[in-house]
Amino acid sequence: GAVVSQHPSRVICKSGTSVKIECRSLDFQATTMFWYRQFPKQSLMLMATSNEGSKATYEQGVEKDKFLINHASLTLSTLTVTSAHPEDSSFYICSATRSSYNEQFFGPGTRLTVL
Amino acid sequence: AQSVAQPEDQVNVAEGNPLTVKCTYSVSGNPYLFWYVQYPNRGLQFLLKYITGDNLVKGSYGFEAEFNKSQTSFHLKKPSALVSDSALYFCAVRDDPGGYQKVTFGTGTKLQVIP
Repeated sequence: GAVVSQHPSRVICKSGTSVKIECRSLDFQATTMFWYRQFPKQSLMLMATSNEGSKATYEQGVEKDKFLINHASLTLSTLTVTSAHPEDSSFYICSATRSSYNEQFFGPGTRLTVL
Repeated sequence: AQSVAQPEDQVNVAEGNPLTVKCTYSVSGNPYLFWYVQYPNRGLQFLLKYITGDNLVKGSYGFEAEFNKSQTSFHLKKPSALVSDSALYFCAVRDDPGGYQKVTFGTGTKLQVIP
């Protein structure tokens, strides 16, 4: 159990377009979902934390209007990168937890390339 | 504030030998500690966690970790390394027992098991 999926796994888009990434908990209800960004050979940078039905909590330095997060249900969260630019190219990873004390279960990641 | 340090960027070990990947942490309260493994272009996989109880925690794939409160360490160990263990390993910590669940990840240690 505790499987998290992400879609798409890879996406290439033109500069100025918007891209939506979905994160789903397949066999459990996630109380909280997280969105991370990972640069090559670096650790995970937390972008935002989202709870179902409420606004996401963004980390310092992360633009809320650029990285839109919607957590519509206990099994689905989406990250939309608006007006993407080449510097937004990265590996985006989501995770989900079942309760306050448990480990996070990670999705397989989405490789975004902005041309 | 919470932080975690992985002092080694890379660890090389011969197949069949014991391996250790180091992690130290800093928290204001009681630590919740985690180890994750990441294979290339993939999300993170949970290995083990320490919340409370026995200091020696056993996890997936034969890995274990020892919580040492006096040394504020949570080193990952395995008695006999496999080539397939070669991957990127992340230690993580949080000290918030409820509410906001932000986890801080270390910078990662690349484990290379040499045949």
